[in-house]
Amino acid sequence: EPEVTQTPSHQVTQMGQEVILRCVPISNHLYFYWYRQILGQKVEFLVSFYNNEISEKSEIFDDQFSVERPDGSNFTLKIRSTKLEDSAMYFCASSGGTLNTGELFFGEGSRLTVL
Amino acid sequence: AQSVTQLDSQVPVFEEAPVELRCNYSSSVSVYLFWYVQYPNQGLQLLLKYLSGSTLVKGINGFEAEFNKSQTSFHLRKPSVHISDTAEYFCAVSSGGSNYKLTFGKGTLLTVNP
Repeated sequence: EPEVTQTPSHQVTQMGQEVILRCVPISNHLYFYWYRQILGQKVEFLVSFYNNEISEKSEIFDDQFSVERPDGSNFTLKIRSTKLEDSAMYFCASSGGTLNTGELFFGEGSRLTVL
Repeated sequence: AQSVTQLDSQVPVFEEAPVELRCNYSSSVSVYLFWYVQYPNQGLQLLLKYLSGSTLVKGINGFEAEFNKSQTSFHLRKPSVHISDTAEYFCAVSSGGSNYKLTFGKGTLLTVNP
């Protein structure tokens, strides 16, 4: 069964460093998302991406964040200068295949720890 | 704007007991409703969804949910839980359209005790 894959599963970084989280969405999907879950809290929407551009972003998604689809398969989230409060689990999701049911398919997540 | 309220942050139950996890939503437009489950140290897995049609929706692992438009609710139920159902459960709403962005509730931790 097709699935969304994310790398790395866990990354530890120093405050102020740049981090890139990578995702491979399901191949025929058209919509891509990043969500964040701070430990013990709810899953929060960061950004959605369609047709090679951001379609919607939350107030969390400030200038420190960027997304890119550099080739036909990868979808990346970059944090330019990490802060302690960026420590969280980051989930990538995709949707919108040939039979779009509105369901988002999530990856296993990338845990980011900022020291 | 949409929002989801999960009133119970934690629900402890004994094995083989029935359980109901409550979810209420608010939206000014028609909605799609979802329940996702997150097992410890894992990602989000879809349990069930309501898009249209029958208001009683059956999902995986014996779970079901009922969409009640007048009460703006989408409560999740299971008649008999197992230890393996211990997980965090998230209710989510989407308005569809061109984005399908999900808005999640805060989650309910279901703990099934022997």
